[in-house]
Amino acid sequence: QKEVEQDPGPLSVPEGAIVSLNCTYSNSAFQYFMWYRQYSRKGPELLMYTYSSGNKEDGRFTAQVDKSSKYISLFIRDSQPSDSATYLCAMSSEDSSYKLIFGSGTRLLVRP
Amino acid sequence: GAGVSQSPRYKVAKRGQDVALRCDPISGHVSLFWYQQALGQGPEFLTYFQNEAQLDKSGLPSDRFFAERPEGSVSTLKIQRTQQEDSAVYLCASSSLGTVNYGYTFGSGTRLTVV
Repeated sequence: QKEVEQDPGPLSVPEGAIVSLNCTYSNSAFQYFMWYRQYSRKGPELLMYTYSSGNKEDGRFTAQVDKSSKYISLFIRDSQPSDSATYLCAMSSEDSSYKLIFGSGTRLLVRP
Repeated sequence: GAGVSQSPRYKVAKRGQDVALRCDPISGHVSLFWYQQALGQGPEFLTYFQNEAQLDKSGLPSDRFFAERPEGSVSTLKIQRTQQEDSAVYLCASSSLGTVNYGYTFGSGTRLTVV
């Protein structure tokens, strides 16, 4: 079993929809939680970063971390066709904060 | 430069051939990382440099993989006697500090195909 599990999708939604993406993990030592967006043939780009539990909002994006359930989420409001990409969750522990453990990614398609 | 630059973008190697992949990090970035991304998977950690020191190489899959950063800027990932299972995108990332808080900037990767 992988340390970080993520539904591969694809997830197809109409423009303007609210998108919910999530990951589960098994390592209770994880403290740093990130969401990256990756367009085809490009490297991952950091979208959101959260330390420990809680919520964080940035524009149309909201990240949530529930450490008691070992579950993290990314919500995208008013989704746009330009949001179509693969979304990767990533996390790391306090003693190896530089070593990111990624999920396998969820492909999102936002239809105009 | 403005971003992390990797070369070549694409590399086709015959099984058994040696390859060298280059990474030019953002100027002044202290930390440099290599990740391997197989098709349909998330990136997997290979190795970490702080300046010229290789602080963690625990993710290198075998002794055929070797990375260096001799002057603390450009890094090279070398794979000897390539095998088909080495086919993947190799991503380089850099950051101004070692901690994840500040996020990494990834390059676009080198797509290696071993035939």
